[in-house]
Amino acid sequence: GAGVSQSPSNKVTEKGKDVELRCDPISGHTALYWYRQSLGQGLEFLIYFQGNSAPDKSGLPSDRFSAERTGGSVSTLTIQRTQQEDSAVYLCASSLGRGDGLQPQHFGDGTRLSIL
Amino acid sequence: SQQGEEDPQALSIQEGENATMNCSYKTSINNLQWYRQNSGRGLVHLILIRSNEREKHSGRLRVTLDTSKKSSSLLITASRAADTASYFCATKAAGNKLTFGGGTRVLVKP
Repeated sequence: GAGVSQSPSNKVTEKGKDVELRCDPISGHTALYWYRQSLGQGLEFLIYFQGNSAPDKSGLPSDRFSAERTGGSVSTLTIQRTQQEDSAVYLCASSLGRGDGLQPQHFGDGTRLSIL
Repeated sequence: SQQGEEDPQALSIQEGENATMNCSYKTSINNLQWYRQNSGRGLVHLILIRSNEREKHSGRLRVTLDTSKKSSSLLITASRAADTASYFCATKAAGNKLTFGGGTRVLVKP
């Protein structure tokens, strides 16, 4: 079956521009996560969705970052007034989101964002 | 700061050898998971071990968990060139969030 799909795969933009990253999770997965990965580093948690609501936004680094999820499916991560330090790979993951916490997360291949 | 820290940061071995990497964490956990990431790709879930388990096997993978020492190890036996990747541990405490370590880069030379 189809996995987690992210678009675009690469995005190059000028400092100060807004960018929108898209994540299409596995069908039926109610939980969706956004992470950021800097070159050669681990993953930094950004935000978690359960359905359309975001019970944990604790990882968003500033108010320039926002995310939404509609219809319990597709999610978009928006970065306003981009800065060079926003350059990273943005990864999306989804899981069944059952309350037992035992569901593995399934990742997309990420969007590589470069801010010039 | 990251919950999990992997050791070593990088590992180079010959095909057929075993690869062992360790993960230490700081707070109480519900479970610990290991993921693999090939270059330029997303992470792939390998194995999950619950906090009340001490050892788990999956194919050529063996994971141990010592909650008293807040540490876990991942052993890959009889490594193959295709095992070349970065390996991350991730811990789950309360809630649904996973906290990832910085990863171990493994190079398996043919």
